[in-house]
Amino acid sequence: QSVLTQPPSVSGTPGQRVTVSCSGSSSNIGGNTVNWYQQLPGTSPRLLLYSNVHRPSGVPERFSGSKSEVDTSASLTISGLQSEDEADYYCGAWDDSLNGHVFGPGTKVTVL
Amino acid sequence: EEQLVESGGGLVQPGRSLRLSCAASGFDFGYYAIHWVRQAPGKGLEWVSGISWDSENIGYADSVKGRFTISRDNAKNFLYLEMSSLTDEDTALYYCAKDASRSWVYWYFDLWGRGTLVTVSS
Repeated sequence: QSVLTQPPSVSGTPGQRVTVSCSGSSSNIGGNTVNWYQQLPGTSPRLLLYSNVHRPSGVPERFSGSKSEVDTSASLTISGLQSEDEADYYCGAWDDSLNGHVFGPGTKVTVL
Repeated sequence: EEQLVESGGGLVQPGRSLRLSCAASGFDFGYYAIHWVRQAPGKGLEWVSGISWDSENIGYADSVKGRFTISRDNAKNFLYLEMSSLTDEDTALYYCAKDASRSWVYWYFDLWGRGTLVTVSS
């Protein structure tokens, strides 16, 4: 059972905008920043977004992130979905209570 | 090119031990914290352990505390994970992951290896 909650799957057609949600608690998302990782089929994860909204060098601008100021949730948005975006997406954060890093269960994004 | 290459995985019987290694190259290994993250077959990511740049601060997930030991050799650019009392729940692909900071606490993983597979089975 993951500490963070994500929908198992999200789908969209090419060019569409899709959002992946990540929900947690006050000990993780509520008080700390959220990071997102992309895992393409058969590959290792790669950092997609860090500290809620920042893109590492090389990550396309169509990937954006946000964190709610009113609850313990965050979102990853893919604007202009492309076939190569088909992958598993994981949110991650530091958890103050567990004194460790935690991940969501992952969301499979499918391009129809 | 920044790179992490894991090794040491394999088939091991329940209750036995195994040592994983991670070779780093292309960046100042001794400057950053580094972690082990695992992924059971068909499952999600689970953080296992992290170690600060100077080995002074170390953390473990509750699921491995007391059984796994993380260490590093900055002179050789290597990270290790000594695993003991292995169970089938430890079966997973074990990734070495570089932290963006010197501390294993709080931040994020900005470089991942390809992983080494550990299978615990009799």
